[in-house]
Amino acid sequence: GNSVTQMEGPVTLSEEAFLTINCTYTATGYPSLFWYVQYPGEGLQLLLKATKADDKGSNKGFEATYRKETTSFHLEKGSVQVSDSAVYFCALNTGTASKLTFGTGTRLQVTL
Amino acid sequence: DTGVSQDPRHKITKRGQNVTFRCDPISEHNRLYWYRQTLGQGPEFLTYFQNEAQLEKSRLLSDRFSAERPKGSFSTLEIQRTEQGDSAMYLCASSLAEGRNEKLFFGSGTQLSVL
Repeated sequence: GNSVTQMEGPVTLSEEAFLTINCTYTATGYPSLFWYVQYPGEGLQLLLKATKADDKGSNKGFEATYRKETTSFHLEKGSVQVSDSAVYFCALNTGTASKLTFGTGTRLQVTL
Repeated sequence: DTGVSQDPRHKITKRGQNVTFRCDPISEHNRLYWYRQTLGQGPEFLTYFQNEAQLEKSRLLSDRFSAERPKGSFSTLEIQRTEQGDSAMYLCASSLAEGRNEKLFFGSGTQLSVL
């Protein structure tokens, strides 16, 4: 079956630090990969996605590259801000509808 | 675009009672999804509709759970004879049917606590 493994949080960083949140997956078939973000008190929002190997998804300064050889989709940002504090979920999809398989989420806390 | 709205935001009930949640999707979206999220876990897929048709149900959806989407607009999720294990956040999402890479828009969820 499908599964997603994320690094456990919380991750605490100072503002302007470099961020990496690791995500690896197992999938039956060729998945599309996603990062969703949940800000406090809000619903999940799509942050970025990649649909085939070596694709790079990017949005709001965040990037993730679809690495088929290592079955990974690590999230990175060069300089985090306090406003990036949220829970980040890695997810995959192998079907024709959005029956996503999510990881457990990683909480990011950015301090001044 | 008013987003996906869910009602109520919180529900506390006693074991054995029935509860019903409502989801209003973004108006032009033809797909509607229900997910469940327990504490410390990621969301898990429960079921989805395309227009008024319920196309798939997860094994997680026991016989006590039923979902409807009359007229392809809002949806309801009913849980009969609630159990403590049903305590979770129930998330609704909607999308335009564009295949596996479609963008999901999530509501803020209904937090269910079964005492």
